[in-house]
Amino acid sequence: DVKVTQSSRYLVKRTGEKVFLECVQDMDHENMFWYRQDPGLGLRLIYFSYDVKMKEKGDIPEGYSVSREKKERFSLILESASTNQTSMYLCASKGQTFTGELFFGEGSRLTVL
Amino acid sequence: DQQVKQNSPSLSVQEGRISILNCDYTNSMFDYFLWYKKYPAEGPTFLISISSIKDKNEDGRFTVFLNKSAKHLSLHIVPSQPGDSAVYFCAASAKGRGSTLGRLYFGRGTQLTVWP
Repeated sequence: DVKVTQSSRYLVKRTGEKVFLECVQDMDHENMFWYRQDPGLGLRLIYFSYDVKMKEKGDIPEGYSVSREKKERFSLILESASTNQTSMYLCASKGQTFTGELFFGEGSRLTVL
Repeated sequence: DQQVKQNSPSLSVQEGRISILNCDYTNSMFDYFLWYKKYPAEGPTFLISISSIKDKNEDGRFTVFLNKSAKHLSLHIVPSQPGDSAVYFCAASAKGRGSTLGRLYFGRGTQLTVWP
């Protein structure tokens, strides 16, 4: 069965802390994505990666960075967490066809105090 | 600027009736459209899709209609059930190249509530 696994379902961090959100997929997909979901704003793309060590900025990359050292793993990094980064973070993966389905993980709810 | 728009943030429908969720897009390069459903505290799950070469796709209680000239699609749920209560996201993709090939563009979602 298809699986996208996010390492933490719930995290609470303090302002200024460095935060790592990990995502692993088992479908050998080329493309991986990080979104955040906020009420009324829908799913906003932070960063995506279309190959190992490749990354592209999405619509809201400020305050975030990413790492993709292996095909199956895509990490989102908050270098210095701020309260406006409190959100639900969703990782997703997709094959290399434009008709392919996007598979999501269960999400990581981050609260920054 | 949002390329995929869901102008109704919420919709309330009685059980057994039809739910119609609407979506508009601005990019004429979009060729493939999807609907996702999301329950609270879970990731979105794929519901149904449609290619631009079709104007209708049906899967059980769910039907998606595409009007390319109007750049509009809609999701019909008949009959609606309380378990359908969720946020529904419309998404679109284009025949891009390289890094843009895999990207989906999402609307802001519509919260559907089906009451008994």
